[in-house]
Amino acid sequence: NAGVTQTPKFQVLKTGQSMTLQCAQDMNHEYMSWYRQDPGMGLRLIHYSVGAGITDQGEVPNGYNVSRSTTEDFPLRLLSAAPSQTSVYFCASRPGAYNSPLHFGNGTRLTVT
Amino acid sequence: AQSVTQPDIHITVSEGASLELRCNYSYGATPYLFWYVQSPGQGLQLLLKYFSGDTLVQGIKGFEAEFKRSQSSFNLRKPSVHWSDAAEYFCAVGSNDYKLSFGAGTTVTVRA
Repeated sequence: NAGVTQTPKFQVLKTGQSMTLQCAQDMNHEYMSWYRQDPGMGLRLIHYSVGAGITDQGEVPNGYNVSRSTTEDFPLRLLSAAPSQTSVYFCASRPGAYNSPLHFGNGTRLTVT
Repeated sequence: AQSVTQPDIHITVSEGASLELRCNYSYGATPYLFWYVQSPGQGLQLLLKYFSGDTLVQGIKGFEAEFKRSQSSFNLRKPSVHWSDAAEYFCAVGSNDYKLSFGAGTTVTVRA
């Protein structure tokens, strides 16, 4: 059971470039989310999805787009990367219940120069 | 909206000593509370959770946490730490929506 898989593990972008961070889960979880982790700020929610075709904004959505065409996949797109988006990005999923814990991927470390 | 405060940024503890990590939350109703641990270069792993019932909850790796509604706290404890407990610890609070809010984290260093 692979759980939550994120690719790539590391990425360096130049300012203005675009890219997609991939996230896939094989647990048939309804809920998926993206967080960014910055020193001293903990994890902040970027976007989340409660099922295929349904997405919503979190705490820090600006500069990021998401889509959820299947239950398994939840990619995060950076349309025009900025140095402020240098961070570690985590994808997480859980069953639909509010009190279920999140299952995290191992993260993508993104540097924007 | 809910929020979480972890007052201690960094704690150093001797191996074999006890450990307590503080967590305070802000939320109007009964929250769902979690503690996660993150080892360097890894994702977050669930230590324990609380959403109802007994206010003292047991988790993995010998950790426990106590929910105190009157103090809006959910402190994490371990009676005797091991060198492998060196990591970053995050408290998180959820509610009847789809958003889970995390504290800024506490880094634990274990000295021999």
